[in-house]
Amino acid sequence: SQQGEEDPQALSIQEGENATMNCSYKTSINNLQWYRQNSGRGLVHLILIRSNEREKHSGRLRVTLDTSKKSSSLLITASRAADTASYFCATVFSGTYKYIFGTGTRLKVLA
Amino acid sequence: NAGVTQTPKFQVLKTGQSMTLQCAQDMNHEYMSWYRQDPGMGLRLIHYSVGAGITDQGEVPNGYNVSRSTTEDFPLRLLSAAPSQTSVYFCASSYSIGNYGYTFGSGTRLTVV
Repeated sequence: SQQGEEDPQALSIQEGENATMNCSYKTSINNLQWYRQNSGRGLVHLILIRSNEREKHSGRLRVTLDTSKKSSSLLITASRAADTASYFCATVFSGTYKYIFGTGTRLKVLA
Repeated sequence: NAGVTQTPKFQVLKTGQSMTLQCAQDMNHEYMSWYRQDPGMGLRLIHYSVGAGITDQGEVPNGYNVSRSTTEDFPLRLLSAAPSQTSVYFCASSYSIGNYGYTFGSGTRLTVV
């Protein structure tokens, strides 16, 4: 079974709006990462947040991590049409080297 | 610096055939993995390796073998192809699983008929 579950499964917003997607996981983790996948392409790493961090920023991206709730969120501010993609969270079980991906959120940004 | 190179990009196999999907990276990454991606299922881990000579099973290892004789190469072998193995396969590598993200290859689209 997959470790991470993203919510919502699909999201459609207007250009300029913010997009928020969430990831929940089941067991203790070492870190959590977010990736973007454009249609038909490989995944691109966006940001890594460690289990002892609560928030991290990278450009228009803001990631939060709540280990007590076993959840993370990815916020994309001032979205652009080019942000249209699928977004995945990935986690590493504590004590393992298995990198497990969630099912993803499909984001569509309308111009 | 080519990153992660996967070959072939497309492949059609008949049921029962075997083949090897190639993956090579030139970044001296110790950690490498193979995933398959099916519609609505996200990415599922098949096998992974933490260094040359060391491999382990992921979530869905049945029907696949791997080896890691060098740091650079991590081939995935399909032993006897089945229609259920129709998928897009991604290879990925990382310098350090705790501190760095994956670099992904562009994928191999496999169809088993």
